[in-house]
Amino acid sequence: AQSVTQLDSQVPVFEEAPVELRCNYSSSVSVYLFWYVQYPNQGLQLLLKYLSGSTLVKGINGFEAEFNKSQTSFHLRKPSVHISDTAEYFCAVSERDSWGKLQFGAGTQVVVTP
Amino acid sequence: DSGVTQTPKHLITATGQRVTLRCSPRSGDLSVYWYQQSLDQGLQFLIQYYNGEERAKGNILERFSAQQFPDLHSELNLSSLELGDSALYFCASSVSGVGTEAFFGQGTRLTVV
Repeated sequence: AQSVTQLDSQVPVFEEAPVELRCNYSSSVSVYLFWYVQYPNQGLQLLLKYLSGSTLVKGINGFEAEFNKSQTSFHLRKPSVHISDTAEYFCAVSERDSWGKLQFGAGTQVVVTP
Repeated sequence: DSGVTQTPKHLITATGQRVTLRCSPRSGDLSVYWYQQSLDQGLQFLIQYYNGEERAKGNILERFSAQQFPDLHSELNLSSLELGDSALYFCASSVSGVGTEAFFGQGTRLTVV
């Protein structure tokens, strides 16, 4: 069985400061990895995904993530956050033979203050 | 706009009742997924359909059922509702399901009173 752990439930950060959201997963098979963002009262929007190839993945809104197979991690980073980045961020894993069903982490609430 | 449409956006109903949530996937997407988001359980996968057939099942209660119709829209039926069923229910769709990203609808917020 697979599992996803987001190590921080809430991350306060000042505007224009960098942020890193940590995600670790466990699975006995190869996986695809995703980060989704949920703004208040909205659905989930895909930020970026890792399917194969380069372990550094760039996504929308200046976010990037690095897949580390040996540490089974997929941490999300942004060098300079904006107030508009205040949202909940979810790491998700899909096993390669699972027809795309996603196992989500518990989420990390990012609060950006001026 | 993800292209996935869910109706209704909000639903308030009493315990013991039955409701139907509807999802229209993005044009061209054959896979539909249902997820439940609640404060205590987080985001949980319920069920997936691909081109009208059930492909994967998660922690879906026996009181819940779903189907995907020939026009590829899907419905999630929740019956004998309990207070604990109050949650945000998301539908997502993808082209095939394997190695493709899922696009999420805005969700249906169900409140059971």
